[in-house]
Amino acid sequence: QSVLTQPPSVSGAPGQRVTISCTGSSSNIGAGYDVHWYQQLPGAAPKLLIYGNSNRPSGVPDRFSGSRSGTSASLAITGLRAEDEGDYYCQSYGSSLSALYVFGTGTKVTVL
Amino acid sequence: EVQLVESGGGLVQPGGSLRLSCTVSGLTFSSYWMNWVRQAPGKGLEWVANINQDGTEKYYLDSVKGRFTISRDNAKNSLSLQMNGLRAEDTAIYYCARVRYTYGHHDYWGQGTLVTVSS
Repeated sequence: QSVLTQPPSVSGAPGQRVTISCTGSSSNIGAGYDVHWYQQLPGAAPKLLIYGNSNRPSGVPDRFSGSRSGTSASLAITGLRAEDEGDYYCQSYGSSLSALYVFGTGTKVTVL
Repeated sequence: EVQLVESGGGLVQPGGSLRLSCTVSGLTFSSYWMNWVRQAPGKGLEWVANINQDGTEKYYLDSVKGRFTISRDNAKNSLSLQMNGLRAEDTAIYYCARVRYTYGHHDYWGQGTLVTVSS
């Protein structure tokens, strides 16, 4: 079960900016654990997009940015492109023996 | 080039068993925690189990405790997941993934292997 809440979908026209929220609790994000973001294109495995709240792995365009505050985090995509269409997931550490790593519910990004 | 390649998925009846494998190349396998993450059809990602560098620490999602066993063979750069007592709700694509640090992110993923539990 997902304990990080994301909006089911966001959409935008090419070139626009969209943001995806990720809401947790004092047991995960609010406990100070880092938030990471993954992009999953149709039919593909997840790919790391942002790690440690705001860091981009090599090769990820600077159109993608992340931030964390309190019990929440957000991912912003600027200059939206057709190839950004897919599912996006946040992830943190759960600090609970029932589920050590927790993922968000996922957000479908649609480019209009 | 880093590669994680899963195998062993398939169709199994409820109550049956499967053993998944993940062969890793291009990185120092023995230096990192490794995770199994699954994704049910049309659903989100769910952490299943993880194991530390030398295999002495293992943790599981509550719903798979007592049924699944994670293991690794550092000499063969291989990660495994033994799944017993399979249920319909275990139907999913299973991914192996490297964890960059204990509380951290999954930086490398395999392509996944599909497990279908159905009669």
